[in-house]
Amino acid sequence: EDQVTQSPEALRLQEGESSSLNCSYTVSGLRGLFWYRQDPGKGPEFLFTLYSAGEEKEKERLKATLTKKESFLHITAPKPEDSATYLCAVQGRRANNLFFGTGTRLTVIP
Amino acid sequence: GAGVSQSPSNKVTEKGKDVELRCDPISGHTALYWYRQSLGQGLEFLIYFQGNSAPDKSGLPSDRFSAERTGGSVSTLTIQRTQQEDSAVYLCASSVQGNQPQHFGDGTRLSIL
Repeated sequence: EDQVTQSPEALRLQEGESSSLNCSYTVSGLRGLFWYRQDPGKGPEFLFTLYSAGEEKEKERLKATLTKKESFLHITAPKPEDSATYLCAVQGRRANNLFFGTGTRLTVIP
Repeated sequence: GAGVSQSPSNKVTEKGKDVELRCDPISGHTALYWYRQSLGQGLEFLIYFQGNSAPDKSGLPSDRFSAERTGGSVSTLTIQRTQQEDSAVYLCASSVQGNQPQHFGDGTRLSIL
């Protein structure tokens, strides 16, 4: 059965204080691992797709990495506007849908 | 360009009533998904449409839930005889095809009194 565990559940950072969010997964034949950002009252906003171990993607202050068991979302020198819930999801070989974790709620304090 | 559009944005109804939720996917996207997000829970898959193929209904929680997609574009999710546990945000997503990134609408917040 597909499983996605995200940690920590919540993270408070000072502006400029870099950190990492973790996504551990179990899936039968990974077709893709996806990172999304979700603001309150909004739908998830697509950030990255990673397809194979060793792959990395970057966008502004965010960098996503992937191993065979987990993915990290590294946030470098975060700003208050980076405050949001970050969701990780996997798509397995046999699935049409994404299987989501419960997210990490990030708060960046000025 | 236009993103995924969902309506209504909020719906309040009484227990036992039927509700219809609408989704307009991104133009040209052949895959369409419905998910449900309850407070403190991850997104839960409901149903998937791909082109003219039979939908994947494996995530529908009961036979009170159904969905259709007309003309390969707009989709409607129907919940019959609503129950209080149906209260949640219902999210629609579309993608170019089944294994590509999914793009979400802002959802319909459904409250059952």
